[in-house]
Amino acid sequence: QVQLVQSGAEVKKPGASVKVSCKASGYTFTDYYLHWVRQAPGQALEWLGWINPTSGGTNYAQKFQGRVAMTRDTSISTAYMELSGLRSDDTALYYCAKNTATNNYWGQGTLVTVSS
Amino acid sequence: SYELTQPSSVSVSPGQTARITCSGDVLAKRYGRWFQQKPGQAPVLVIYKDNERPSGIPERFSGSSSGTTVTLTISGAQVEDEADYYCYSAADNNWVFGGGTKLTVL
Repeated sequence: QVQLVQSGAEVKKPGASVKVSCKASGYTFTDYYLHWVRQAPGQALEWLGWINPTSGGTNYAQKFQGRVAMTRDTSISTAYMELSGLRSDDTALYYCAKNTATNNYWGQGTLVTVSS
Repeated sequence: SYELTQPSSVSVSPGQTARITCSGDVLAKRYGRWFQQKPGQAPVLVIYKDNERPSGIPERFSGSSSGTTVTLTISGAQVEDEADYYCYSAADNNWVFGGGTKLTVL
């Protein structure tokens, strides 16, 4: 079955960077774009962008351009999302996710806490 | 950029029909999806292509579309349907989410 397994929780200081991983299994990693979505406490879902695992091409939401970088390692079916210049309002649960024509799969989420 | 607008909350009694709307220009050109999210859990897809149900989703969940609005209908809402619901669409493979609707069933 399709699984997206993310790395563990992180605590970072303001101004630092965080890198979250998402390991895919149960399907061909290069067949589907991987998206990153975050959810601040008590807030709505917010899309950060996607990576094309085949080409490594990316597309970022305008809000995060210049601060986010998505990469992948096809040899281990893993995607990464790095967010830099962290601020307190970046405290959120970060998810990787993928769509198919008839369904949608999510990682378990990675809590990133930004605190001095 | 595209925006999707949902009511912040909807309340129904058990057994009643709950309807949650989502409006946005992108919905005139692209399909809408609906996610259910319970506290502490990742979102779960309940409707795709405006009105299709993934396997395993109860038949009481249905969707419809008209112009720039999609609607999620839960016929005979159960207590276990209490959750946050998000509409979603994709334009140029960019995802956009609505602000979420808290459904209360009591």
